[in-house]
Amino acid sequence: AQKITQTQPGMFVQEKEAVTLDCTYDTSDPSYGLFWYKQPSSGEMIFLIYQGSYDQQNATEGRYSLNFQKARKSANLVISASQLGDSAMYFCAMREGYNAGNNRKLIWGLGTSLAVNP
Amino acid sequence: DTGVSQDPRHKITKRGQNVTFRCDPISEHNRLYWYRQTLGQGPEFLTYFQNEAQLEKSRLLSDRFSAERPKGSFSTLEIQRTEQGDSAMYLCASRAVQGVTGELFFGEGSRLTVL
Repeated sequence: AQKITQTQPGMFVQEKEAVTLDCTYDTSDPSYGLFWYKQPSSGEMIFLIYQGSYDQQNATEGRYSLNFQKARKSANLVISASQLGDSAMYFCAMREGYNAGNNRKLIWGLGTSLAVNP
Repeated sequence: DTGVSQDPRHKITKRGQNVTFRCDPISEHNRLYWYRQTLGQGPEFLTYFQNEAQLEKSRLLSDRFSAERPKGSFSTLEIQRTEQGDSAMYLCASRAVQGVTGELFFGEGSRLTVL
């Protein structure tokens, strides 16, 4: 069974508007971490934001925020005030276990392609 | 800090040839990872190093694949007798040991095309 599900293969958004990219996960481990990465056409994976399973507040990093709903096992990425440079693939990933060493076993979704229209 | 760099960025080879990719991690990062990414998929873990020690290898890493990190700095990934199924983007990432988050810093990848 897929552990990270990104149900939106492609999304469009108008420049300056907000967009939400969906991610649901499945784990029986009470300790886990959730990551969002951006992959532009150049190929580099760029870390955006992290949410730990025990974090009390939703993570925020500049224009990025993570809508973490633990009971629903969802970790949606919200990008506010979209910019043309936000056009890229976006991947959700999960690390099971609290130990950061388990990053070797990051489980990745299939990604969502975001296109920002001028 | 120049980030993680990978070389070459693109490699086209004929089936049966050997190829080698190089990764230079962020200098103070002692953990280095190799991933493979095919079109429409997320990255798949191949192997990782802590300093010069290779601590884990995925079952995806067949005996045609070998990775080294001889001095705990740069790493190489060699694929022998390439097959068309090896065509993919090979991503290298590094991270520091400290911290709970432990986010990975990726290079721009080496794209392999096997004809």
